[in-house]
Amino acid sequence: ETGVTQTPRHLVMGMTNKKSLKCEQHLGHNAMYWYKQSAKKPLELMFVYSLEERVENNSVPSRFSPECPNSSHLFLHLHTLQPEDSALYLCASSQDSTPSTDTQYFGPGTRLTVL
Amino acid sequence: KNQVEQSPQSLIILEGKNCTLQCNYTVSPFSNLRWYKQDTGRGPVSLTIMTFSENTKSNGRYTATLDADTKQSSLHITASQLSDSASYICVLNNAGNNRKLIWGLGTSLAVNP
Repeated sequence: ETGVTQTPRHLVMGMTNKKSLKCEQHLGHNAMYWYKQSAKKPLELMFVYSLEERVENNSVPSRFSPECPNSSHLFLHLHTLQPEDSALYLCASSQDSTPSTDTQYFGPGTRLTVL
Repeated sequence: KNQVEQSPQSLIILEGKNCTLQCNYTVSPFSNLRWYKQDTGRGPVSLTIMTFSENTKSNGRYTATLDADTKQSSLHITASQLSDSASYICVLNNAGNNRKLIWGLGTSLAVNP
């Protein structure tokens, strides 16, 4: 185990539903990330939090809303999603938000299907 | 065109055999290059990290090499095991933007008994 847990592991939702993804890291890290992994595409960075402050938002649609209540927990609130949002959503953490030196530790992901 | 291209897209080998996965990149300058292993249904796990000035880095049966002149990296797996079946992803850190990681699509490796 990497020390990063995600729930749920699988989620099926309709386009009108509201759901949340949860991530928890037990590594004492200061930075947390949300990634989207779609078939035939490289990992896409969505959001970066450092010390509970959002430091990066990569032009993600507003139907995805992140929340970081403390340095150990990260949520991704979902509402009125589209079928093309179906993907594996990965959470990661690192000691600090400096990719040049920090190794990111990933959770197992949430497989999301939007009907 | 992706700045990080990996080949082959997929590979099947027999248990016990060696294999080499390739990563060609155009990212420049970069501060480090990583190889990640991603098992099916899991998140990526870091295998090796090399700075732009390093040529090789090993982690058990995994050996990564880097040729900055040709802008190529390879991941060599020795004496493959069934548990090596996974996707292997090459990732570069763009030194021009300290937060930006450039991810490849990965090579899907299947090790058969």
